Amino acid sequence: NAGVTQTPKFQVLKTGQSMTLQCAQDMNHNSMYWYRQDPGMGLRLIYYSASEGTTDKGEVPNGYNVSRLNKREFSLRLESAAPSQTSVYFCASSVPGQYLKNIQYFGAGTRLSVL
Amino acid sequence: DQQVKQNSPSLSVQEGRISILNCDYTNSMFDYFLWYKKYPAEGPTFLISISSIKDKNEDGRFTVFLNKSAKHLSLHIVPSQPGDSAVYFCAASGVRRGSQGNLIFGKGTKLSVKP
Repeated sequence: NAGVTQTPKFQVLKTGQSMTLQCAQDMNHNSMYWYRQDPGMGLRLIYYSASEGTTDKGEVPNGYNVSRLNKREFSLRLESAAPSQTSVYFCASSVPGQYLKNIQYFGAGTRLSVL
Repeated sequence: DQQVKQNSPSLSVQEGRISILNCDYTNSMFDYFLWYKKYPAEGPTFLISISSIKDKNEDGRFTVFLNKSAKHLSLHIVPSQPGDSAVYFCAASGVRRGSQGNLIFGKGTKLSVKP
């Protein structure tokens, strides 16, 4: 019952460094998402992938890139980390159902600090 | 401009009493609504949802009410238990816009249930 698995759980970067956040789901879901959560804020969508082979920008895509490697895996890359990218990052997956009843299932998150 | 608003950052309730969490939305194209529960250091977990063709959905101790004319929904927890202490996020999706149902989240309400 792994569900959505995110790695790493914690990461500290220096400004300008790059890194990739990994996400994998074992529920055979078509759609996957990356969010960030900042204090006092809700979850804001960075990028999403409606199906294997497609990716689209969400609300806050600047400074990020994504790759939908296969149906299971969806990675988020920070090419040149900035302090403003200090946040908790959540990956989610879903199977949009009838009437696009989009119940999303979330991983435990990656806590990223950029110094 | 926030499309989904949770105007109460926090709520404190005595064990056994009713907890009422409120959510307002501005976009009349939203027609599917969800509540998520989040414990510290964990990802959000789906709690309950409602589509716009209904005005009430019940699941055990949790009931969600939707008032479309007022663009308002609420989550009732009866009776409240200490284990319900968490942050609750309201989310909405715009099915008919062809956006494949991406979720818009409120900022969350932190519920504390005191023994």
